[in-house]
This record gives sequence, C-alpha cells and structure tokens, in this order.
Amino acid sequence: NAGVTQTPKFQVLKTGQSMTLQCAQDMNHEYMSWYRQDPGMGLRLIHYSVGAGITDQGEVPNGYNVSRSTTEDFPLRLLSAAPSQTSVYFCASTKGGQFGFGYTFGSGTRLTVV
Amino acid sequence: TQLLEQSPQFLSIQEGENLTVYCNSSSVFSSLQWYRQEPGEGPVLLVTVVTGGEVKKLKRLTFQFGDARKDSSLHITAAQPGDTGLYLCADTGTASKLTFGTGTRLQVTL
Repeated sequence: NAGVTQTPKFQVLKTGQSMTLQCAQDMNHEYMSWYRQDPGMGLRLIHYSVGAGITDQGEVPNGYNVSRSTTEDFPLRLLSAAPSQTSVYFCASTKGGQFGFGYTFGSGTRLTVV
Repeated sequence: TQLLEQSPQFLSIQEGENLTVYCNSSSVFSSLQWYRQEPGEGPVLLVTVVTGGEVKKLKRLTFQFGDARKDSSLHITAAQPGDTGLYLCADTGTASKLTFGTGTRLQVTL
C-alpha cells in the first residue's frame, strides 16, 4: 500500500535549470493535484487533473507544466527554475466527487533554487 | 477568490489542556475538510463535514460546521504531545480542488 510516491525528496537547482518532480499513485484515483507550501501561506494549487489526458491550471500555474498520460503518474515540470519557486511541493490524489473523498498526499519534495 | 482564515496561527499548550481552533471563509463552503500535517510529511485527512450544523467526533477531536456553512471549529480535549502538528482546513470546491486555510500550528508539551 504505497499510496502517493514523490521523488526526489530533496533537490537543489540553479536558476534557469529545468527539472521534473515525479508523482505516482497506486490507488486508481482519478483526481491528482500538485500543491506548493510556503511559510505563512498554506498550500496553494498549481495544476490538477481529473483523469488521464485532462489537466487544468490552479491558483499559481506560472512556470510549471504538467501532463497526465496515465492514471497513475502526474509529473510536474519546472521549465526554468527561479528562486521564487523555492518551496515544498506536494502531490495528492483522490477518488474524486464533491463530498467525502479526502486527498491522499505524498510526503513532499523540498526544492531550493539558488 | 475565496479566503480561508484560521485562528490562532500558533498555539502552545501543556498536555491535558483543551483547545479550539477556528476556520472562517469569505464564502460558503462546498464541503469542509480538516487535515493534520506533521513535520516532513504531507497533510493527512481527519474529517469531512458537509451539512450546516454538523458535528463529528474523532476520539478526543470534535469538529463543528457552522449553520451557515461559512465557519468551522476543531476542539481537542485533553491534548497530548501526539496532537502536535499543523492543522489545516480546506474547502473541497468544484472538481475536488482544495482551497486551504493558512493553518494553525499546535505544540503540546509535557
């Protein structure tokens, strides 16, 4: 019962570099999301997906891309890293539906951009 | 844009004390979820409340949803060090997009 698996756990990037944060879930959940968590600002939605082949923007999508080619995987790409993207990133999944289905979160990726 | 405000921001209490944290929204909740997050981990769902006036209990935790569905509270009875963490409320919104509050950081000491 792995749940939601995120890799890597820690990453340091130089400004301008690109990278992909990996997220995989084994619960056959339709809905997946990426959040970033910054001190004093809670978690903010970056991108989300309601099923394979369907993605949409959240509250803070600039500088990030996503794709959903399979139900299990939802990678987050940083196109050209900036210091403002230093944060903790969480991937989450849920069965979906409006009520009662809580999200399962991964343990996070701590990203530092220097 | 919906704003979720949680209070207090920080709370430090001793084991055995009771406490209440609050979550207030600028608009009506679709449904409300409470999560707890421990250091270095992702949030973990505690409860979902849907109906105005609803009360749910989870061991020593009592969750209330306001009649107008714009506010909620979490009450912990006889806090224990294991209750330490960041408590987050979240509106489920549409398409299961969560909007989170800023959180209440709780520390329970012996």
